[in-house]
Amino acid sequence: DIVMTQSPDSLAVSLGERATFNCKSSQSVLYSSNNNNYLAWYRQKPGQPPKLLIQWASTRESGVPDRFSGSGSGTDFTLTISSLQAEDVAVYYCQQYYSIPYTFGQGTKLEIK
Amino acid sequence: QVQLVESGGGVVQPGRSLRLSCAASGFSFSNYAMHWVRQAPGKGLEWVAVIWNDGSKEYYVNSVKGRFTISRDNSKNTLYLQMNSLRGDDTAVYYCARDPGATAAGYFDLWGRGTLVTVSS
Repeated sequence: DIVMTQSPDSLAVSLGERATFNCKSSQSVLYSSNNNNYLAWYRQKPGQPPKLLIQWASTRESGVPDRFSGSGSGTDFTLTISSLQAEDVAVYYCQQYYSIPYTFGQGTKLEIK
Repeated sequence: QVQLVESGGGVVQPGRSLRLSCAASGFSFSNYAMHWVRQAPGKGLEWVAVIWNDGSKEYYVNSVKGRFTISRDNSKNTLYLQMNSLRGDDTAVYYCARDPGATAAGYFDLWGRGTLVTVSS
């Protein structure tokens, strides 16, 4: 199974500042035949189901604000919120879909400083 | 309105069975693979199972193989999870989630609100 490891476990950022989340996979999730990274990011607000933010490592889901961006390739990935809003308080998860079983990172909890 | 609504959760004794349902509306259910994803209280997310849009293929996480069965009825726009031989570590909120592909791209673009399963004597 591919193990996904996120860092840090928690993060406190001031409103309007940048928030950066890291995700590392135990093996590459880059499929060489199509050059796609099989990596997604989700946001889970308290008491709500997760919501898809980013797929293919860097493609924003329809309707997701452009302050969210994804980057990285192979085994190392980053989710960035360029200017933190109060509504972004949540837990953020990365997920690989390169191989079954699909696996998630343990999550990074984002709080307002 | 595009949505997924889970039902069937509750408190069940270890070793017993439970069947979850997920009613889909607002989209062409038969065009999409579907998943179950669970979340133990205060914990992270764990993918459980996937079924192809036509029901021709199913895959499971190792911890539920042989105990859980995912199925679907496209005429009723409903996804199911039959859970047998339940254990304490199956206690979780179970989410139904849509895959953007018919044969499982592998990520989840629409989620239900979940149904809580508690396994306890």
